[in-house]
Amino acid sequence: DSGVTQTPKHLITATGQRVTLRCSPRSGDLSVYWYQQSLDQGLQFLIQYYNGEERAKGNILERFSAQQFPDLHSELNLSSLELGDSALYFCASSGPDRGTDTQYFGPGTRLTVL
Amino acid sequence: AQSVTQLDSQVPVFEEAPVELRCNYSSSVSVYLFWYVQYPNQGLQLLLKYLSGSTLVKGINGFEAEFNKSQTSFHLRKPSVHISDTAEYFCAVSRMDSSYKLIFGSGTRLLVRP
Repeated sequence: DSGVTQTPKHLITATGQRVTLRCSPRSGDLSVYWYQQSLDQGLQFLIQYYNGEERAKGNILERFSAQQFPDLHSELNLSSLELGDSALYFCASSGPDRGTDTQYFGPGTRLTVL
Repeated sequence: AQSVTQLDSQVPVFEEAPVELRCNYSSSVSVYLFWYVQYPNQGLQLLLKYLSGSTLVKGINGFEAEFNKSQTSFHLRKPSVHISDTAEYFCAVSRMDSSYKLIFGSGTRLLVRP
């Protein structure tokens, strides 16, 4: 158990819908990262937050957005869903904003868009 | 930009045999190097990381990796594998000087046979 929790574990929805994925980082961790794992794209970095502020953006679609709340949990919002958005979405957290810190991954949310 | 290449998509090996999973990276700046393991239906778990110092890094579960700067490689090795090592292994890099997002390779599936 990494200490990072993600809900829900599975999500099945239809094209055009909007969903919210939730992540609670390890106690004391200030950084939250979101990654997408799909068969065709592999593991891709989406976005990073540090202590409530956006720190870095990767290949995140405009239909996707995220935020980190004062209690440090984070939410990833996916809207106007397409079939190609079906993937495993991971959240990871790490301590102070240093590259030497290990990123601890949650168990992921499997999103299926029908 | 950084990139990570894992040339072997699958490596079959017999139990108790040695194994090497190859990883090469490309980067114009200094990077940190990581190996993560993903067991079926689970999140990613850190095996080991290279930050600086000795180029031979020891990790969990008997794995080790060697950083070779001239060949820009970070191959993962284990002298004797177990059935339980069957999993997907990901090599990753992160820049030392900015966002510490992880750039992953495409993964290598290690299949240990009895």
